[in-house]
Amino acid sequence: AQTVTQSQPEMSVQEAETVTLSCTYDTSENNYYLFWYKQPPSRQMILVIRQEAYKQQNATENRFSVNFQKAAKSFSLKISDSQLGDTAMYFCAFMGYSGGGADGLTFGKGTHLIIQP
Amino acid sequence: DAGVTQSPTHLIKTRGQQVTLRCSPKSGHDTVSWYQQALGQGPQFIFQYYEEEERQRGNFPDRFSGHQFPNYSSELNVNALLLGDSALYLCASSGKGWYGNTIYFGEGSWLTVV
Repeated sequence: AQTVTQSQPEMSVQEAETVTLSCTYDTSENNYYLFWYKQPPSRQMILVIRQEAYKQQNATENRFSVNFQKAAKSFSLKISDSQLGDTAMYFCAFMGYSGGGADGLTFGKGTHLIIQP
Repeated sequence: DAGVTQSPTHLIKTRGQQVTLRCSPKSGHDTVSWYQQALGQGPQFIFQYYEEEERQRGNFPDRFSGHQFPNYSSELNVNALLLGDSALYLCASSGKGWYGNTIYFGEGSWLTVV
């Protein structure tokens, strides 16, 4: 079974600063995806960024980028030029592939990110 | 193009009752998964349906059951409700093969058990 650990329950930064959210995972699988999801107060789960484990290049999406360290099983999210609208819960998630298709997502407990004006 | 839709949005049930939650996947999607998110926690995988069959199941008791219809919509049923079943229930859908496809979530159904 996979586990996903987010060690920062809450973080607070000033608007326009850069912030990094940490995530580590444990798996014995070789084929998998990693995700960061944002969940604002509306509770809608929104995909921020995803990383294929077989790709060495770190994924980027505008102000969001990841630092994927496969050997260390680490997957951190960097948010540059943070904005007030980035305030939300952020979840790291793992998805394996068990031959018959992709598995369900395994989520961490989340990090509550607060962007201060 | 409608995304993933769930109903009802909120409901209150009494301990011991049964509840049915419904989900319509995004157009073109054929795989549906259900998650339970307790307050202050990350979502927990309940099960996944593909081609009208339960393909994979998380660590949930048999009180949790589901169904997928030929139009790919899905239901989550919970019997003998416990207070601990109070949570946000999220439905997610994806296209064929699931793996690597973008997974879309609905806005969830809030279940309160009293």
